[in-house]
Amino acid sequence: QQQVKQSPQSLIVQKGGISIINCAYENTAFDYFPWYQQFPGKGPALLIAIRPDVSEKKEGRFTISFNKSAKQFSLHIMDSQPGDSATYFCAAIIKAAGNKLTFGGGTRVLVKP
Amino acid sequence: GAVVSQHPSWVICKSGTSVKIECRSLDFQATTMFWYRQFPKQSLMLMATSNEGSKATYEQGVEKDKFLINHASLTLSTLTVTSAHPEDSSFYICSAPSPGQGTDTQYFGPGTRLTVL
Repeated sequence: QQQVKQSPQSLIVQKGGISIINCAYENTAFDYFPWYQQFPGKGPALLIAIRPDVSEKKEGRFTISFNKSAKQFSLHIMDSQPGDSATYFCAAIIKAAGNKLTFGGGTRVLVKP
Repeated sequence: GAVVSQHPSWVICKSGTSVKIECRSLDFQATTMFWYRQFPKQSLMLMATSNEGSKATYEQGVEKDKFLINHASLTLSTLTVTSAHPEDSSFYICSAPSPGQGTDTQYFGPGTRLTVL
C-alpha cells in the first residue's frame, strides 16, 4: 500500500519555467513532510521540509505548499534551471514512530535549456 | 549539514559470496541509522532500522538472515548481504537522523551500487 502518492512520474520544463510536483497522503499521523533531491548515482539530499501547521514554506527558488484538510502538499521550483534536473521525492514522517521516512514514488524532472 | 559516508561506493561480486557495506556518520553520533535499497527508476524502500547496541528492526518482507545489520558504535553501521544473488543487485543507501535539531530530518549517504554476477 503506497501511503504517499506522488505525481507526475516525470516532468519536462523549459529553463526559467515552474516545476510543480504534487503529493497526497492518507495517514493523518504523519507530522513532518520533507522533500529530497536525488541525482543519478547519488544519495538523496534534503531540499526543504514543512510541518503540517504551516501552509507554505519558501527557501530560495523552492516552495512547499501544504493543504492539511486535503492531505496534499506540493513542491514548486521557480525559475527552473538545467542543474535542477534530478529526481525529486516527497516523504512523510511520523516522529513518534521512530522517524522512519515513507517516500513517494518520485518525479524525474528534466529542465531543457 | 551533517555528513554520512558509505563504503564502498560500488562493488561487484560473484553469486554466493557475501558483501559488507559500511555507513558512517562523520561528524556526529547516530544511535539510529536506516538502510534502504533502490532499484533503477524506483523509489527508496526502507529495509531496516539499525540500532546502536541492540538488534536491528527489519521491515516486513526483508530477510534478516540475508541482510545482516550490525551497529557496533555510535558512528558506524554495517549491512552484510549474505550469499548474494543477482536479484540482490541494487543501490543500497543508508541515512542517519540529523543531530542537534531533534530528529526531524535525515541525512543520506552517497549510496553503494551492488552488482552480483
